[in-house]
Amino acid sequence: GQQLNQSPQSMFIQEGEDVSMNCTSSSIFNTWLWYKQEPGEGPVLLIALYKAGELTSNGRLTAQFGITRKDSFLNISASIPSDVGIYFCAGPRMDSNYQLIWGAGTKLIIKP
Amino acid sequence: GAVVSQHPSWVICKSGTSVKIECRSLDFQATTMFWYRQFPKQSLMLMATSNEGSKATYEQGVEKDKFLINHASLTLSTLTVTSAHPEDSSFYICSANSGTLGYEQYFGPGTRLTVT
Repeated sequence: GQQLNQSPQSMFIQEGEDVSMNCTSSSIFNTWLWYKQEPGEGPVLLIALYKAGELTSNGRLTAQFGITRKDSFLNISASIPSDVGIYFCAGPRMDSNYQLIWGAGTKLIIKP
Repeated sequence: GAVVSQHPSWVICKSGTSVKIECRSLDFQATTMFWYRQFPKQSLMLMATSNEGSKATYEQGVEKDKFLINHASLTLSTLTVTSAHPEDSSFYICSANSGTLGYEQYFGPGTRLTVT
């Protein structure tokens, strides 16, 4: 069945560093969504991608819809302490009623 | 825009009692609402999908008689955990889709349920 492989599982970085994470699948997707979840909160939509090759920014965040439609990347530039959290990728479930399948998440930790 | 509220944010109940969680879309009409459960350090697990005015669709392994879902209006869905047991303790999160924004789901802040 459909599966999203998200990596890395966690990242320990210094404040100010750039961050890159990705999501891959053996299935083709027509939409990629990136969310951030902070402890005890619901996920918040960061970026939505709808077209292969699309590159979309939201402040210091940039996400790309892979040209093969089987992957997506999220980059964070010049990380700051409030970037800490878990980042999830998600894509539409096949033959579904707007349901999503989710990656396992990338936990971002910023070293003091 | 696209704000979803959830109430209560946390609840403690005794084993055997029922708990109702409300999910509201505040500034848009939600044709579809979703209920998720999340265990510590894990991803989101979809429990059920509901459309306004129709029966919810439950994921495999989710007991529909235990987790009652009602989507009475385009802005309100409720999840009732019936005869709760300690193993039902979890973080429950709802989300909503307007049907006009593709697959984007907007999430409530979640409800932490503890069953003693």
